[in-house]
Amino acid sequence: EDKVVQSPLSLVVHEGDTVTLNCSYEVTNFRSLLWYKQEKKAPTFLFMLTSSGIEKKSGRLSSILDKKELFSILNITATQTGDSAVYLCAPNSGGGADGLTFGKGTHLIIQP
Amino acid sequence: DAGVTQSPTHLIKTRGQQVTLRCSPKSGHDTVSWYQQALGQGPQFIFQYYEEEERQRGNFPDRFSGHQFPNYSSELNVNALLLGDSALYLCASSSGLAGGGETQYFGPGTRLLVL
Repeated sequence: EDKVVQSPLSLVVHEGDTVTLNCSYEVTNFRSLLWYKQEKKAPTFLFMLTSSGIEKKSGRLSSILDKKELFSILNITATQTGDSAVYLCAPNSGGGADGLTFGKGTHLIIQP
Repeated sequence: DAGVTQSPTHLIKTRGQQVTLRCSPKSGHDTVSWYQQALGQGPQFIFQYYEEEERQRGNFPDRFSGHQFPNYSSELNVNALLLGDSALYLCASSSGLAGGGETQYFGPGTRLLVL
């Protein structure tokens, strides 16, 4: 059975801090790993990672995948209150169909 | 370019009733996946539709069924509602051409409350 564990489950930091969110996974036929940000309803897409060791970057957010150790991290530098959200990771096992297996998410709160 | 749309936004039903939720995929996408998200949990995969057929199914009972239309829009039906079916139902669309592994884009969801 596919398994995804995110840590920490919740995190409270002050504006300007840097945070690192963790995602470890066990899936069969791994194709990619996706990160989403969920503020109220719709998870919004952040990154798709397919190759180990190649950092993907978007503004203050970056993410990297380690396919050997089966984990990914999401970094957010110079956090802002607008970064407050639940961050979800989901490995994609592909194989002709791609129902995502999500972790419980990390609830990040940025205090002004 | 319209993203993924879902209707209705909120719904209140009573136990034993049936409900139908609707989803229109992002323009250019042909694959629709449905997820159930209980409070405080990550989304759980229900099933995926491609070319009007159920291509993959998660661990959900037969009370959950779906349909995809020729225009790629989709419906999720839940029969004999239970209190535990109260959740946010999310629809995600993607392109099925690559055979899996594509990025899924989510709609705003339908909040279902079963009393």
